[in-house]
Amino acid sequence: QSALTQPASVSGSPGQSITISCTGTSSDVGGYNYVSWYQQHPGKAPKLMIYDVSNRPSGVSNRFSGSKSGNTASLTISGLQAEDEADYYCSSYTSSSLFGGGTKLTVL
Amino acid sequence: QLQLQESGPGLVKPSETLSLTCTVSGGSISSSSYYWGWIRQPPGKGLEWIGSIYYSGSTYYNPSLKSRVTISVDTSKNQFSLKLSSVTAADTAVYYCARHLLAGTVAGTTLSVAFDIWGQGTMVTVSS
Repeated sequence: QSALTQPASVSGSPGQSITISCTGTSSDVGGYNYVSWYQQHPGKAPKLMIYDVSNRPSGVSNRFSGSKSGNTASLTISGLQAEDEADYYCSSYTSSSLFGGGTKLTVL
Repeated sequence: QLQLQESGPGLVKPSETLSLTCTVSGGSISSSSYYWGWIRQPPGKGLEWIGSIYYSGSTYYNPSLKSRVTISVDTSKNQFSLKLSSVTAADTAVYYCARHLLAGTVAGTTLSVAFDIWGQGTMVTVSS
């Protein structure tokens, strides 16, 4: 059981924006600005998309953005594209397994 | 360009020890800024961090697995390794190695920042 709670699934149409939440506590998500997000396509390794709540690694599209309010972090994907369909995981600086349970994004 | 590659047996018998190695290429495992970690993913399930090691040998483990896990490093070979003892079917998973950025330790809590480079993963099945 993950300490970080994510919705099991979200969906959106091409061109729309979606937001995935990651809810923890003041002892993890809310404690420090060390939240990261990972994208995982089927059969592939996870890929870092966001770190330090809102920073994008080099090469990651600016359609991906991160934010945090209190004990909840969020990943927003704007201008949704078919290639964004994947599983997304959040991670906090400390928690039982460091990762949330994952969210499956479906592009309709 | 830094790359990580996992290797090891794909099949392990119950109660035995799972052993995997991660070889780092295109850079040094002795980088002062990074730890090196293991993460696993059971079929159809989410990610679970197992533990991480610094090139000096300093380790930190997921408390739920700590009693069965040993992670070691061989800087001469630019490799780090995972041993998981007394395995059961529940340990069947894809095992990933990754570069792990930490932000130090505060009041006994190690601050994980991100896993920024991942290996492709290797499937390990526990079965007799």
